[in-house]
Amino acid sequence: DGGITQSPKYLFRKEGQNVTLSCEQNLNHDAMYWYRQDPGQGLRLIYYSQIVNDFQKGDIAEGYSVSREKKESFPLTVTSAQKNPTAFYLCASSIKRDSGNTIYFGEGSWLTVV
Amino acid sequence: EDQVTQSPEALRLQEGESSSLNCSYTVSGLRGLFWYRQDPGKGPEFLFTLYSAGEEKEKERLKATLTKKESFLHITAPKPEDSATYLCAVQPYSSASKIIFGSGTRLSIRP
Repeated sequence: DGGITQSPKYLFRKEGQNVTLSCEQNLNHDAMYWYRQDPGQGLRLIYYSQIVNDFQKGDIAEGYSVSREKKESFPLTVTSAQKNPTAFYLCASSIKRDSGNTIYFGEGSWLTVV
Repeated sequence: EDQVTQSPEALRLQEGESSSLNCSYTVSGLRGLFWYRQDPGKGPEFLFTLYSAGEEKEKERLKATLTKKESFLHITAPKPEDSATYLCAVQPYSSASKIIFGSGTRLSIRP
């Protein structure tokens, strides 16, 4: 089945630790995104990528890093510099970025600081 | 400033009681408006994309409409399984790199 796979579903981070969230898509989409969702708030864009080996910061990129070495993969690293990382993280993809094409989402990953 | 406001924040309906959710937006130019359904602990599920004022789309008990300032998601004779959070998002021409999401409306349908 075509879709977007995020892993792990639940992740716990200790203080000072970096963690990486995986996102893989088999939809042959060019653009991929990472959003953060906090209770009662809209989705906020962390990073996006329109093409392999290129990515741009979104509204809340501080404390996060990404890579786009393959078209189907867009992992997100939450670094120790992110002071409030506990949230629900959503990976998404679309055919192209700038054409009003629909964004499709994965099932999300919960990150909790312990 | 581009922004999206959804109302109400929460809505409780009796099964079969029709209603509408509102999404008001302010953008310099609209490239597209999107509606999603989100169940607790899951990723948003795509429902509709609307591109121009006057456009309407339907899916089962849901119908989305669009004007130059707002969009409505009409729910006709809802069932308990329609309970979810409904998200609205817009993609403006002024900043094609952004898709702006509203905070959502939590819909609860009582049997």
